[in-house]
This record gives sequence, C-alpha cells and structure tokens, in this order.
Amino acid sequence: GAVVSQHPSRVICKSGTSVKIECRSLDFQATTMFWYRQFPKKSLMLMATSNEGSKATYEQGVEKDKFLINHASLTLSTLTVTSAHPEDSSFYICSASTSGWYEQYFGPGTRLTVT
Amino acid sequence: QKEVEQDPGPLSVPEGAIVSLNCTYSNSAFQYFMWYRQYSRKGPELLMYTYSSGNKEDGRFTAQVDKSSKYISLFIRDSQPSDSATYLCAMTQGGSKKLVFGKGTKLTVNP
Repeated sequence: GAVVSQHPSRVICKSGTSVKIECRSLDFQATTMFWYRQFPKKSLMLMATSNEGSKATYEQGVEKDKFLINHASLTLSTLTVTSAHPEDSSFYICSASTSGWYEQYFGPGTRLTVT
Repeated sequence: QKEVEQDPGPLSVPEGAIVSLNCTYSNSAFQYFMWYRQYSRKGPELLMYTYSSGNKEDGRFTAQVDKSSKYISLFIRDSQPSDSATYLCAMTQGGSKKLVFGKGTKLTVNP
C-alpha cells in the first residue's frame, strides 16, 4: 500500500506558541491531502481538504486562521496550529490520495499537547 | 438518521473465531467503500477497498457490499489477537473524495 509519514509523532508546546505538523507521501504523488482531528474514543473529524497548489477548503466550524494548511508540493502538506491553547490538544492525522483514487492513505498521527 | 451507522461495540471474541463487522448507510449515491483498521494511538490503515456491490477477498479478510440494502460487511476469518483494534467503515460517492466514516467498532480477540 501507499505510505504516508507524519512528523512529529508527538509534540508538547506552551500555550500561545505555534506548532507545525508535516505530512509526506513517500511513494506516490498526493494531489489531495486531508487533515483530521480525533478525540479520545471518537471517530475522525475532517478539518480541511487541500489540493496541491490551491488553498485549502475548511469544514464548517474550523478556523482557517488558526489552522493554517499549506500544500505546496505533491508530496508535502503542513498544518500549523497558531497561538495554540489547551483546547487544541488532540490527535491530528493527515491522509493523502491521488488522481484516480478514492481511497485515502493515512499517516501515523501527531499527538499535540498544549500546556 | 446519520449517513453511516456502525455499532461501536465493544466486540469480544475468542481467538480463531469468525468476526463480522457491519455498517449501514442512507445515501444511495455512495459507490466506493473502504474498511480501515486503527490501533490505539495510530493512524487508520486501509484494509479493504471495494467499488459498488459485490465481494472482495484478501487473505483472512472479506468485504461485502450490498447496495440494494445499503449494507456493507467485513468478515475476518481465524481471528488473531493482533486483529484487536477499532475497525472503521468509510465510503464516498466520488467527486470531492471526502470520506464519510462510521464511528468504528472496537474489537478484542482474546487468546
């Protein structure tokens, strides 16, 4: 199967700082990438969809100025949580797909803790 | 009515049992169906992907889609303790590629 990596796997930051999470497709060109958030024992919540070279499309209720998404290349997307607060603590997971695919391949996730 | 319904379990079976996991959905436009396995604190892993109705087999796993009943299933034969995880069904009608997920079924296979 296709491989997606995510970095870092875990990050702890202080309230008010910004954190960047990277998502990379290792063996295919990711024309579309997705960012999800998952709370404990809950299903995945889609935050935004990004197509390479275009602005991300955010889901209703997701603050685009707080969760900055960049998808500048066919193998890399980044999610920056700006001015993080404790309520932003969560498990963030990216996924990627390519032209002609409907399935998504997920990264291993990043656990963010804001103190 | 939610778009995708999935019994959250938990489901506990002995090693070697046949496991049946199911989802129902309401949107008849869904055409692409997936099953993901998610271990605790990990990202989901794609197990099976099927298009439209029919069966697909891969090793110990069989996926079934019945579009007339809006019902999909995942069967696990000869279940192993390593199969203990949460199983998520997902589906899409294509287009935007956004997936609609079930809530996931937590499975425990006891040695």
